[in-house]
Amino acid sequence: GAGVSQSPSNKVTEKGKDVELRCDPISGHTALYWYRQSLGQGLEFLIYFQGNSAPDKSGLPSDRFSAERTGGSVSTLTIQRTQQEDSAVYLCASSPSQAGQETQYFGPGTRLLVL
Amino acid sequence: QKEVEQNSGPLSVPEGAIASLNCTYSDRGSQSFFWYRQYSGKSPELIMSIYSNGDKEDGRFTAQLNKASQYVSLLIRDSQPSDSATYLCAVNFSGTYKYIFGTGTRLKVLA
Repeated sequence: GAGVSQSPSNKVTEKGKDVELRCDPISGHTALYWYRQSLGQGLEFLIYFQGNSAPDKSGLPSDRFSAERTGGSVSTLTIQRTQQEDSAVYLCASSPSQAGQETQYFGPGTRLLVL
Repeated sequence: QKEVEQNSGPLSVPEGAIASLNCTYSDRGSQSFFWYRQYSGKSPELIMSIYSNGDKEDGRFTAQLNKASQYVSLLIRDSQPSDSATYLCAVNFSGTYKYIFGTGTRLKVLA
């Protein structure tokens, strides 16, 4: 079946602009995660959704970041007033349940460059 | 602060040798452990998961877990140049949904 998809694959924007990143998880997966990976760094947890709910938003770097998930499926990560330090690869992952023992399946990522 | 630590490398091994990658974690309550492989410019893909103390083998890969010493390792036998990648250790802390990733170990297999 189809894996996790993300769009756009690449985004170049100017400092101060808003961007929206989209994640389409594997069908039926209830858990959805957003991570950020800066060049040469590990994965930084941003936010987790169980269904449409985000029980913990504390990983979001600032109030310029927000995320939502609708219909228990597609999720959008929005970055307002982008800054150069927001440049990174944004990865989305989904897993079948909230158990915490499930494998996460990653999408291909969105490479964001803020000029 | 829950942490997962890995040596960043690069770890260089000759083709055909055994590559040993290590990961330590801070929370004794951790339950689930994962090894992901990430090729340059690509997203992580799962290699192995392990939940119980001991060894778990899958083809050329063996994951080893020692909860008392709080480490998990990945052995790659008969290393191939195609194994050259960054290997990420991920830990799920008990009772949470949160996975903490290490910064990864870069492996180079020399032909």
